[in-house]
Amino acid sequence: EVQLVESGGGLVQPGGSLRLSCSASGFTLSTYSMHWVRQAPGKGLEYVSGITSNGDDTYYAESVRGRFTISRDNSKNTLYLQMSRLRPEDTAVYYCVKGQPTLLDPFDYWGQGTLVTASS
Amino acid sequence: DIQMTQSPSSLSASVGDRVTFTCQASQDISNYLSWYQQKPGKAPKLLISVASNLETGVPSRFSGSGSGTYFTFTISSLQPEDIATYYCQQYDNLPLTFGGGTKVEIK
Repeated sequence: EVQLVESGGGLVQPGGSLRLSCSASGFTLSTYSMHWVRQAPGKGLEYVSGITSNGDDTYYAESVRGRFTISRDNSKNTLYLQMSRLRPEDTAVYYCVKGQPTLLDPFDYWGQGTLVTASS
Repeated sequence: DIQMTQSPSSLSASVGDRVTFTCQASQDISNYLSWYQQKPGKAPKLLISVASNLETGVPSRFSGSGSGTYFTFTISSLQPEDIATYYCQQYDNLPLTFGGGTKVEIK
């Protein structure tokens, strides 16, 4: 059974940093692209970032480019999102999402999400 | 970025009704479109990919159609457990973009 478990969310002051982790199980992480998608309270889904199976290619939404860094450690079955210079508008539930072989594929499994709140 | 526009943003229907809503892309995305269902407090779930391909285990009352820039999602007979917000997503180009969602409620 595919499982994605996010951790690392919490309350952080604007301008601060946070690192999210996503522990993956039930499939071979090194075979698939992975992504982060967020959802602000009461709002819709927003694509944040994606990374190819071997980590060679990454993509960032314009809203986070230069502030967030996606990475992965396939040996630890873990996906990461390093977030810095956080803004109040980054407040959202962050979902770890399993892609398919390429970045241009639907998302077939989602974690339950971790809440990040950027507020003073 | 490709903009995805869903209509309506919400609808109310009775159990057993046929429900249809739409998703329009700002440019041709062929059939690189998926539909997700998100129940309150839960993560989204993939229902349909490639515009009309039902994922394994998804009830056959759900269906999708369309290509190019215009797509539809249909629930042939609305059930109480279908109460959710439904999102379309294009995966023709990065960034992968979502529509604003259609919230389905029971009348």
